[in-house]
Amino acid sequence: DTEVTQTPKHLVMGMTNKKSLKCEQHMGHRAMYWYKQKAKKPPELMFVYSYEKLSINESVPSRFSPECPNSSLLNLHLHALQPEDSALYLCASSHPGMRRGSSYNEQFFGPGTRLTVL
Amino acid sequence: SQQGEEDPQALSIQEGENATMNCSYKTSINNLQWYRQNSGRGLVHLILIRSNEREKHSGRLRVTLDTSKKSSSLLITASRAADTASYFCARALDTGGFKTIFGAGTRLFVKA
Repeated sequence: DTEVTQTPKHLVMGMTNKKSLKCEQHMGHRAMYWYKQKAKKPPELMFVYSYEKLSINESVPSRFSPECPNSSLLNLHLHALQPEDSALYLCASSHPGMRRGSSYNEQFFGPGTRLTVL
Repeated sequence: SQQGEEDPQALSIQEGENATMNCSYKTSINNLQWYRQNSGRGLVHLILIRSNEREKHSGRLRVTLDTSKKSSSLLITASRAADTASYFCARALDTGGFKTIFGAGTRLFVKA
């Protein structure tokens, strides 16, 4: 199984709602990523988990809260979002690489969740 | 900005022609990767070239890397309408960790 799955495909939420995005992979990858992508822009790294521990937080506002319950699952909890948070949210995974704490290998991306905040 | 530059921003060619996209960067890298993204979808990995490699091929794709000029190029030969997509270079920084920085991307349109 070389697939990264993401649910839901689309999400519309109000600014007071609480919702979660889910990502799953069964490739045995131990690094998982969240990216945010606005229209016609490149993906921007938000968070990285390595061996289920948060490795990178790119100064993301606290209204985004990541969680890695196990090596196959990655969640992104959303609360009190703003309309400017509307974007495509991409999950990716990769092998951690020969050197623990680094990932110099290709990333496998899910199809993304299209989020609209009203 | 760490993002780096890609050029051209957009490219429109006829089916059968070759397409060349360029990527430049400023910081040292461990490797450079190229990804394709069809409209509003996830990214698909195309090729990874390590900093000690100069050229790599995969099917109709050819990637070159010049670390002295801090630049890379992606050549798609004999393009097809199905190659229409956005193409991004992505640099794994040489500082360890997992940080990968994507370039601004080139939007390629191949006319049938």
